[in-house]
Amino acid sequence: KQEVTQIPAALSVPEGENLVLNCSFTDSAIYNLQWFRQDPGKGLTSLLLIQSSQREQTSGRLNASLDKSSGRSTLYIAASQPGDSATYLCAVSGTYKYIFGTGTRLKVLA
Amino acid sequence: DTGVSQDPRHKITKRGQNVTFRCDPISEHNRLYWYRQTLGQGPEFLTYFQNEAQLEKSRLLSDRFSAERPKGSFSTLEIQRTEQGDSAMYLCASSSLRDREGNEQFFGPGTRLTVL
Repeated sequence: KQEVTQIPAALSVPEGENLVLNCSFTDSAIYNLQWFRQDPGKGLTSLLLIQSSQREQTSGRLNASLDKSSGRSTLYIAASQPGDSATYLCAVSGTYKYIFGTGTRLKVLA
Repeated sequence: DTGVSQDPRHKITKRGQNVTFRCDPISEHNRLYWYRQTLGQGPEFLTYFQNEAQLEKSRLLSDRFSAERPKGSFSTLEIQRTEQGDSAMYLCASSSLRDREGNEQFFGPGTRLTVL
């Protein structure tokens, strides 16, 4: 049974810092891994999708990497801003359904 | 608007009442998913449709829950005799079967249910 773990559960950093969020999964047989952002009380905003054949994806200040063999992914956020404050969720998929982690709650202090 | 839409966005009901939620997927997406998210947790899979066929139901989906996708287009999720434990955000997502390698799912804004 696939299990997804995100560390840390919460993180508070001063504005401008570079930071890394971690996601680990127990079954390496995945189709893709996707990172989402969720603001309080809102739905999910897709940030980056990494297909199983890929190693990383980049979008603006975000970079996500995938190491299937070790069951790990990292989301790197460069030059963090207060607007980055949100919960970040990672999800892995097999043939269809997503399995989500419990998220990392990020607070960027001005 | 070509995204996934959900209606209503918020629903407050009394314990014991029935509620129904609707999801309209991205047009031409043949896969549709329902997830439930409780406070402080990640979304959990409830059920999945490929066209009009419901192919998997999670054990989270008790007998009080039923989902349909007539004609393979929009979907409804009904909860009968609601309980306070049903209070959660209900998320709908869709994807395209043609996107075999990626299976990227696109999520709607969710329906927040509060059972008093």
